[in-house]
Amino acid sequence: DAGVTQSPTHLIKTRGQQVTLRCSPKSGHDTVSWYQQALGQGPQFIFQYYEEEERQRGNFPDRFSGHQFPNYSSELNVNALLLGDSALYLCASSLAYSSGNLIDTQYFGPGTRLTVL
Amino acid sequence: LAKTTQPISMDSYEGQEVNITCSHNNIATNDYITWYQQFPSQGPRFIIQGYKTKVTNEVASLFIPADRKSSTLSLPRVSLSDTAVYYCLVGEPDSGAGSYQLTFGKGTKLSVIP
Repeated sequence: DAGVTQSPTHLIKTRGQQVTLRCSPKSGHDTVSWYQQALGQGPQFIFQYYEEEERQRGNFPDRFSGHQFPNYSSELNVNALLLGDSALYLCASSLAYSSGNLIDTQYFGPGTRLTVL
Repeated sequence: LAKTTQPISMDSYEGQEVNITCSHNNIATNDYITWYQQFPSQGPRFIIQGYKTKVTNEVASLFIPADRKSSTLSLPRVSLSDTAVYYCLVGEPDSGAGSYQLTFGKGTKLSVIP
């Protein structure tokens, strides 16, 4: 049973470029959340997708957008990259209606390390 | 979302018990307390979750006093592989799709010394 997978592992871009990161959720999960983690900080919530729609959004500009596909996989797109976008981008999957309804049901992937030069 | 406060860092020798305390003064009635562990360049991993009193699993114990304004994660007999950042989170259980997001603080960096 594969866990959450993300691609690519590492990515280097220059300012102004656009980037797409990909995430495949844990088998059986239907909800995907994205987090940004700057060096030395805790992960910060970007947004969450369920049923191919953005359901919740954190305090991130519109340059950050996403998509969820019918197979529940997801993409995170960042336009007009800034130096400050350099971070570890984490994808977490969960089941929208899980028995027990505990908040421990988010499983994180290994992340994509984005470096903006 | 309740704000949490944890020590920035802690050091411990191998084999000792480590207790990390988290303050969450404005915890709400329906909030649960959850701890995650994160190794460098990896995603956070769930450790333990509780609502009140004491919870124990195969890796840790969680102590929550009656007023629930703080909680203590206890790691028995730590080893070098327990060196990681530990995050305390407070939130309400999922009541439906898209109804919650995890709010992480800076966490506590635990260094286990040989």
